[in-house]
Amino acid sequence: EPEVTQTPSHQVTQMGQEVILRCVPISNHLYFYWYRQILGQKVEFLVSFYNNEISEKSEIFDDQFSVERPDGSNFTLKIRSTKLEDSAMYFCASTPHRLATSEQYFGPGTRLTVT
Amino acid sequence: KNEVEQSPQNLTAQEGEFITINCSYSVGISALHWLQQHPGGGIVSLFMLSSGKKKHGRLIATINIQEKHSSLHITASHPRDSAVYICAVNSGGGADGLTFGKGTHLIIQP
Repeated sequence: EPEVTQTPSHQVTQMGQEVILRCVPISNHLYFYWYRQILGQKVEFLVSFYNNEISEKSEIFDDQFSVERPDGSNFTLKIRSTKLEDSAMYFCASTPHRLATSEQYFGPGTRLTVT
Repeated sequence: KNEVEQSPQNLTAQEGEFITINCSYSVGISALHWLQQHPGGGIVSLFMLSSGKKKHGRLIATINIQEKHSSLHITASHPRDSAVYICAVNSGGGADGLTFGKGTHLIIQP
């Protein structure tokens, strides 16, 4: 069964550094998402991406963050100048159609630790 | 902004018991999703509902759009059902992301 993959599974970085989290969505899916979950808290929406542009972004997704689909398969989340509070699990997800009509397929997550 | 509330926050039950997890939301939605998160962190979609009722094996999900309420039921619960169950809603019609509840931590004891 096709699945969403994410790399790396765990990333440790120092405060102020830039990190890139990578995701490979399911190949025929059209909508892509990033979410984050701070330890012990609920999952939060960061950004959605469709047709090679950001469709919606949350208040969390400020200028520190950017997303890109550099080729036909990868979907990346870049976090510039990381802060301690960026430590969280980051989930990528994709759907074949709009969320109103489709289940969402999640990747296994990347645990980001900022020290 | 939609507020998603789940109850109970924690639930411990014995194997075989019938389990109910509730979810309410504050603003009309286009779809509601039930998700399962295992201790390793991975999230799996269980159901996507916009009306009525769905059943997969021992899992049943219902939604009442007028009352802005959904329930997830597990029949004949088993220790492998132990996980966090998360309700999430999609409020828009386009590529909007999900708004999540805090989750219900379910433990099924043998």
